[in-house]
Amino acid sequence: QSVLTQPPSASGTPGQRVTISCSGSNSNIANTYVHWYQQLPGTAPKLLIYRNDQRPSGVPDRFSGSKSGTSASLAIGGLRSEDEADYYCAAWDDSLMFGGGTKLTVL
Amino acid sequence: EVQLLISGGGLVQPGGSLTLSCAASGFTFSSYAMNWVRQAPGKWLEWVSAMSASGSSTYYGDSVKGRFTISRDNSKNTLFLQMDSLRAEDTAVYYCVKASSGWYRGSWFDSWGQGTLVTVSS
Repeated sequence: QSVLTQPPSASGTPGQRVTISCSGSNSNIANTYVHWYQQLPGTAPKLLIYRNDQRPSGVPDRFSGSKSGTSASLAIGGLRSEDEADYYCAAWDDSLMFGGGTKLTVL
Repeated sequence: EVQLLISGGGLVQPGGSLTLSCAASGFTFSSYAMNWVRQAPGKWLEWVSAMSASGSSTYYGDSVKGRFTISRDNSKNTLFLQMDSLRAEDTAVYYCVKASSGWYRGSWFDSWGQGTLVTVSS
């Protein structure tokens, strides 16, 4: 059981906006940055969002992150079929914690 | 372009040992902390071990403490993970991961290797 709680699944149709939540506590999310990773099927994870809302170069601005209190969210706008992947949030507690992951399905 | 090429995975019997190597290129290896992250089949990511850029500081997850040893050779741009007393629950894909700074705590993971499967089974 991960310390950071994510919904196991999410879905949307092409063009839609989808939001994935990540719930933590005062010992992690509330007091540190949240990062998000995208894992396409059969591949290694890739950094998607860092420091709550920063995008690495090359990540489309369809992807955005936010944080409020003990929760964080990843939003994906203009959903595309290639966005179908597992998404993980991560934050520091006593150690680095990953969320349990959310499998995004594009219908 | 950052490249992290892992070698050394495979099948090992319970109680056995295995060493993973990660050859890094495309960045100044000695300036960045490095990590090992694993993912058991069908499971989420687990931060296993980390080492600061200089090698002076290390981290081990509770599940591997006392059994795994992380090391690095900055002259050869290579990260290692020596895994001893392996258990079935260590079965996972192991990723070599570059941190965003020289200190692993508080960093994010900006480059990931392709991963190597370690299977612990008799």
